[in-house]
Amino acid sequence: AQSVTQPDIHITVSEGASLELRCNYSYGATPYLFWYVQSPGQGLQLLLKYFSGDTLVQGIKGFEAEFKRSQSSFNLRKPSVHWSDAAEYFCAVAPSFRNEKLTFGTGTRLTIIP
Amino acid sequence: GAVVSQHPSRVICKSGTSVKIECRSLDFQATTMFWYRQFPKKSLMLMATSNEGSKATYEQGVEKDKFLINHASLTLSTLTVTSAHPEDSSFYICSANLGLAGETQYFGPGTRLLVL
Repeated sequence: AQSVTQPDIHITVSEGASLELRCNYSYGATPYLFWYVQSPGQGLQLLLKYFSGDTLVQGIKGFEAEFKRSQSSFNLRKPSVHWSDAAEYFCAVAPSFRNEKLTFGTGTRLTIIP
Repeated sequence: GAVVSQHPSRVICKSGTSVKIECRSLDFQATTMFWYRQFPKKSLMLMATSNEGSKATYEQGVEKDKFLINHASLTLSTLTVTSAHPEDSSFYICSANLGLAGETQYFGPGTRLLVL
């Protein structure tokens, strides 16, 4: 069975500083990986996804993620965070290219301080 | 972009009553809709997958008689929590996609259910 681990429950970063959110997955086949952001009152929004090809994936809002098969990781990064980036971030894995049956990690809450 | 709405955004009900939550795709036809449950400070857990015009497929451990799902049209799916109890209190989220290969799931804003 597939699983996703986000080791950091809560991260606090100063505005303008760089950010890295960790995600490790467990899946026997080729994983299809996603990062979503959840803000209060809004639905989960897809930041980026990885299906195949270039292991460095660019997403919206200046985010990027790198797939490392050897480490079973798909960490999310941003060079300079903005106060509006404060939210809950979820890593997810799907078993098929059709993006069905997402398995989510437990999420990382990001707090931005001035 | 594709928009998915949910109604109501929050609901409070008495124990033993039933509550219906609607999930609508506003600007696209959703072949497949998904229902998730999110506990406080926990991950989203998939409850069931519904395809328009057919019975929903429930995940292991989810009571299908408790959580009735109907996907009557390509833009509407409903989740009915029957005979609700306090332990059913949670945040319920739906998502929808076109069912095409590699298609992104679009998520609704969620419904907060509190059963007293």
